[in-house]
Amino acid sequence: DAGVTQSPTHLIKTRGQQVTLRCSPKSGHDTVSWYQQALGQGPQFIFQYYEEEERQRGNFPDRFSGHQFPNYSSELNVNALLLGDSALYLCASSRIGYQETQYFGPGTRLLVL
Amino acid sequence: AQSVTQLGSHVSVSEGALVLLRCNYSSSVPPYLFWYVQYPNQGLQLLLKYTTGATLVKGINGFEAEFKKSETSFHLTKPSAHMSDAAEYFCAVSETSVGSQGNLIFGKGTKLSVKP
Repeated sequence: DAGVTQSPTHLIKTRGQQVTLRCSPKSGHDTVSWYQQALGQGPQFIFQYYEEEERQRGNFPDRFSGHQFPNYSSELNVNALLLGDSALYLCASSRIGYQETQYFGPGTRLLVL
Repeated sequence: AQSVTQLGSHVSVSEGALVLLRCNYSSSVPPYLFWYVQYPNQGLQLLLKYTTGATLVKGINGFEAEFKKSETSFHLTKPSAHMSDAAEYFCAVSETSVGSQGNLIFGKGTKLSVKP
């Protein structure tokens, strides 16, 4: 049973560029959440997608947007990258209504220069 | 608003000693509580969770945690530390109301070192 997968594993961008990160949920899961983990910090919730719609959103600017596809996979897009966007981006999947325990992928490490 | 406080950013124990990692939370509604472990350059792995029922929860790798509502605590313990337990541990809380369970609030983490 494949767990949550994310691509790419590492990414280097420059300020002002745009980036797209991808996530495939665990088999049987229909909900995808995205988190940002800055160095030395705990993960912070960005948003969650269910049925191809944004279900909840954390305190992140509109530069952060997402999408969920019919096969439940998801993308996180960040526009106009800032140095402060450098972080580990974690995707977590869960099954709606099943006490929603979230299972995390290995993350994508983004470095903005 | 919910929040999580993990006391001690670094904890060091000897191999074979008791591991105790502290977590206190605040929540206006009954919470779901989680402990996750993160090894270097990896994602988060679920250790254990409390949702309802028994307040003493057993997880993987010999870890357990007890939900104490009166103390708003969910401390993580393991009777005997192993070198492979060295990692960073995160406590997290989420709301239990339907439609609000997606947002996990994490503590800042506790880095556990295990000395031989």
